[in-house]
Amino acid sequence: QKEVEQNSGPLSVPEGAIASLNCTYSDRGSQSFFWYRQYSGKSPELIMSIYSNGDKEDGRFTAQLNKASQYVSLLIRDSQPSDSATYLCAVMVDNAGNMLTFGGGTRLMVKP
Amino acid sequence: DGGITQSPKYLFRKEGQNVTLSCEQNLNHDAMYWYRQDPGQGLRLIYYSQIVNDFQKGDIAEGYSVSREKKESFPLTVTSAQKNPTAFYLCASSIVGQGGMAFFGQGTRLTVV
Repeated sequence: QKEVEQNSGPLSVPEGAIASLNCTYSDRGSQSFFWYRQYSGKSPELIMSIYSNGDKEDGRFTAQLNKASQYVSLLIRDSQPSDSATYLCAVMVDNAGNMLTFGGGTRLMVKP
Repeated sequence: DGGITQSPKYLFRKEGQNVTLSCEQNLNHDAMYWYRQDPGQGLRLIYYSQIVNDFQKGDIAEGYSVSREKKESFPLTVTSAQKNPTAFYLCASSIVGQGGMAFFGQGTRLTVV
């Protein structure tokens, strides 16, 4: 069973702080990694993808990948109350690019 | 506007009934997916399709069936064989081979009564 693990939270941070969300995965052969944001009762939306070791930045978001340690993280700088949501880590487990395995999500709460 | 439309938004099913969830997309994507989400959990793949008239089982296909007669449409039937169907069902589409870059519909919340 290929697994993706996340701390369910809630992770509570004050407005303006850095939120750090972590994810570990079990399949060492995984090549593609994604972060989705899901507001309560809504559908997920893709916010970041990362494919190689290191950091990838997009605005206030930074994804970090360490394949040797099998973890992926998402940093949100200058956190805003509107960032309060559940963040889902997803790993592509097949070479054809069809089968995503999702973690259970981390609920982030940004307090004004 | 391009997007994915799921209907209905809320659906109630009696024990022993089959129900069909609709998913239509106008993004011109060849690949479509059905996921199930239980409260406080991540998404699990039920079925996916890369081309018309072809589809593959995901991790939890038992008790579900799909069809792909048109590129734009990928309906999901929850059969009476699915013992615990109450969940949030999400349809998604993407370019083939880019399932990680999927666009999702707004979801159907199915409740067994």
